[in-house]
Amino acid sequence: AQSVTQLDSHVSVSEGTPVLLRCNYSSSYSPSLFWYVQHPNKGLQLLLKYTSAATLVKGINGFEAEFKKSETSFHLTKPSAHMSDAAEYFCVVSLTGFQKLVFGTGTRLLVSP
Amino acid sequence: EAGVAQSPRYKIIEKRQSVAFWCNPISGHATLYWYQQILGQGPKLLIQFQNNGVVDDSQLPKDRFSAERLKGVDSTLKIQPAKLEDSAVYLCASSYLAGGPETQYFGPGTRLLVL
Repeated sequence: AQSVTQLDSHVSVSEGTPVLLRCNYSSSYSPSLFWYVQHPNKGLQLLLKYTSAATLVKGINGFEAEFKKSETSFHLTKPSAHMSDAAEYFCVVSLTGFQKLVFGTGTRLLVSP
Repeated sequence: EAGVAQSPRYKIIEKRQSVAFWCNPISGHATLYWYQQILGQGPKLLIQFQNNGVVDDSQLPKDRFSAERLKGVDSTLKIQPAKLEDSAVYLCASSYLAGGPETQYFGPGTRLLVL
């Protein structure tokens, strides 16, 4: 069965510093991997997705993630945090070819001025 | 384009009462999903429809939860009777097709509190 583990429940950064949100996945087959962001009282929004093409995936708002099969990781990064990045971030896995998404427990990103 | 619409946004009920949530997906999206998000956890799929047929309801507590998608468009999710542990945000999502890594678009959710 597919699963993801988000290694940090909370991450705090200062505005303008890099962001790293860590995710490890478990999948018996070729997975599709996603990062979603959830702002307070708003719906989940797709940041980026990996579907077995390029291992470095660029998303919206300057975020990117790198699929590393040898490490079973799919960490999310951004070079410079902005106050508006403060939100809950979910790493998500699905079996390629299927629509069922399995969410991690989330990482809350806090950005201080 | 208009996003996924859900109503109500908030609902407070007492245990053993019934409650219903409504979802209108993005126009043209064949696949509709209901998720339950308990505080501090990631969303969990309850049921997936493709058009008006159920694709996956393996995690739906069928003794108290029911869902339908008449005419393959709008959907309702019902809980009867509600329990305290049903307090959660209920998210509706839709996607254009099933069978591939299609992006799922989420609504704002309905926050349910069971007292």
